[in-house]
Amino acid sequence: DVKVTQSSRYLVKRTGEKVFLECVQDMDHENMFWYRQDPGLGLRLIYFSYDVKMKEKGDIPEGYSVSREKKERFSLILESASTNQTSMYLCASSIPGQGVYEQYFGPGTRLTVT
Amino acid sequence: GESVGLHLPTLSVQEGDNSIINCAYSNSASDYFIWYKQESGKGPQFIIDIRSNMDKRQGQRVTVLLNKTVKHLSLQIAATQPGDSAVYFCAETLSYNYGQNFVFGPGTRLSVLP
Repeated sequence: DVKVTQSSRYLVKRTGEKVFLECVQDMDHENMFWYRQDPGLGLRLIYFSYDVKMKEKGDIPEGYSVSREKKERFSLILESASTNQTSMYLCASSIPGQGVYEQYFGPGTRLTVT
Repeated sequence: GESVGLHLPTLSVQEGDNSIINCAYSNSASDYFIWYKQESGKGPQFIIDIRSNMDKRQGQRVTVLLNKTVKHLSLQIAATQPGDSAVYFCAETLSYNYGQNFVFGPGTRLSVLP
């Protein structure tokens, strides 16, 4: 089974701190994604990556950056955390071009910025 | 961007009854759709997918119906069980994006009553 793990389930940070969220997948997937999930808004794409060192902005990239130095690892960085970044963050991975575009999700990191 | 679905509604059904969860999508060009299930404290999990050249697809205890005329998806769960309690999301994309640009709905919370 595909396994996507995220470094923390719960995280509390202060305004202005630099925050790193780590995601690792064990199935050699090319695509990796970062979403945030807020009540009533569904999942919104922050960034995705289709290969090592490649990244594309999603719908809401402002205030975030990403890093993909290895195929299995995709990091989300909040350069200076703000209270409006309090949310659930979900990482996902998928294989492109297989006809079924299922994304495999991690358990999520609930980040609170105070 | 295009949006999928409505604000988060809740559906309560008796155990053993059938459940129908609805989703409206707004991009008439979308040609690939997925339903996800998200249990409390977990990431979304793939249930079933359907392409726009189909009206209906069946899985184990689940059926997805696609009505392209009114841009509507539904997920039917037969003989609903307590383990079906979760939030259900629909997601749409254009298949030429190889699953890199899904738009997710806000979800519907399904509660199964004993």
